[in-house]
Amino acid sequence: GENVEQHPSTLSVQEGDSAVIKCTYSDSASNYFPWYKQELGKGPQLIIDIRSNVGEKKDQRIAVTLNKTAKHFSLHITETQPEDSAVYFCAASEDSGGGADGLTFGKGTHLIIQP
Amino acid sequence: NAGVTQTPKFRVLKTGQSMTLLCAQDMNHEYMYWYRQDPGMGLRLIHYSVGEGTTAKGEVPDGYNVSRLKKQNFLLGLESAAPSQTSVYFCASSYSLRSFRAYNEQFFGPGTRLTVL
Repeated sequence: GENVEQHPSTLSVQEGDSAVIKCTYSDSASNYFPWYKQELGKGPQLIIDIRSNVGEKKDQRIAVTLNKTAKHFSLHITETQPEDSAVYFCAASEDSGGGADGLTFGKGTHLIIQP
Repeated sequence: NAGVTQTPKFRVLKTGQSMTLLCAQDMNHEYMYWYRQDPGMGLRLIHYSVGEGTTAKGEVPDGYNVSRLKKQNFLLGLESAAPSQTSVYFCASSYSLRSFRAYNEQFFGPGTRLTVL
């Protein structure tokens, strides 16, 4: 089965700086890579996702890059703000076009934005 | 729309007791999932369903049963709770036949915190 490794487990950055979280996956059949943000006491919320036919995707201050050859993908947050403090999870799955395989998650990164 | 809701929010059980967690979604999604979240472990898939009346095992199914008698509801049962099942349980749903969005974009509920003593 799929295995997703996520680093670092904790990341502390100064407000206004950039944050980068990295993930690797093992199954070459995986082609869908979402990132979720989880605030304390809440369920995960999708913030951005990327498919294997795209190398990079950006949404305002958030961007995700994918390197299929190396089997790794990264989340980039620029101009960090206090509300970015949360736990971030990467995940991978095979979007088999009608299949319903669950997501395989990384273990999470606790992002702390220092004022 | 309420999205995905979970009942109850908190529960404390004694070892050997049974209980059912209820998940409901109002997005007309075909697929539903149960995950558990443990410290430092991320989320792990317990069971999932691709449609009314169907269920399948995920990564960590032992000790749990599920049922999907109605499209909008997905129940997770613990027949004989064990301390190892102390966790936060999340339900998720995805995929509407009327949507052009990704099959795999999953929407999560707020979670149920279960403690087994």
